[in-house]
Amino acid sequence: EIVLTQSPGTLSLSPGERATLSCRASQSVSSSYLAWYQQKPGQAPRLLIYGASNRATGIPDRFSGSGSGTDFTLTISRLEPEDFALYYCQQYGSSPPMYTFGQGTKLEIK
Amino acid sequence: QVQLQESGPGLVKPSGTLSLTCAVSGGSISSNNWWGWVRQPPGMGLEWIGDLYHGGTTNYNPSLKSRVTISLDKSKNQISLKLSSVTAADTAVYYCARLPFYYYAMDVWGQGTTVTVSS
Repeated sequence: EIVLTQSPGTLSLSPGERATLSCRASQSVSSSYLAWYQQKPGQAPRLLIYGASNRATGIPDRFSGSGSGTDFTLTISRLEPEDFALYYCQQYGSSPPMYTFGQGTKLEIK
Repeated sequence: QVQLQESGPGLVKPSGTLSLTCAVSGGSISSNNWWGWVRQPPGMGLEWIGDLYHGGTTNYNPSLKSRVTISLDKSKNQISLKLSSVTAADTAVYYCARLPFYYYAMDVWGQGTTVTVSS
């Protein structure tokens, strides 16, 4: 089973700043199988990025994903007040078929 | 647009069976999507439970496989989750989600339903 480790655990930034969130896999992951989600308190997760770099429908272009192999990054170019939330990465593994999530990064207002 | 709505008992007794349904509106469960369940214990992260395709293929989390059944009812356009032999560790918010083919991700989520396992 592939384990995803997200860093940092908490990221404290101010609106307008750039956020860089990391997701490291315990073994190589196909870029097609890596996704990012945002979750706010009391809400369901929202898909931001799939296939490592494809923005989901309706996601602003300040969100971007990159990476390959074992290292993936979610970048928020200029933080808006509504971006402060919890972020999870997720991967799909085919043997056996299953999805796993990272433990999350909390993005908080500095 | 597709919307998902979970429903079911909010309280289940230990050793009992948790049963939830997810009603799909604005689209057909026979479309080119997988349909799955994810749970989130209080204050913790996300755990994938399993998913299925309308043709009948299912995949389950190996850690839950012996206790989980996911099925669909095409006539009602809904999917179901059954988790047997529950313990307090199964207390969580349970979400249903849509997984479009070749996305390998969950693009539409229900609002979630809280299930507490307690006597």
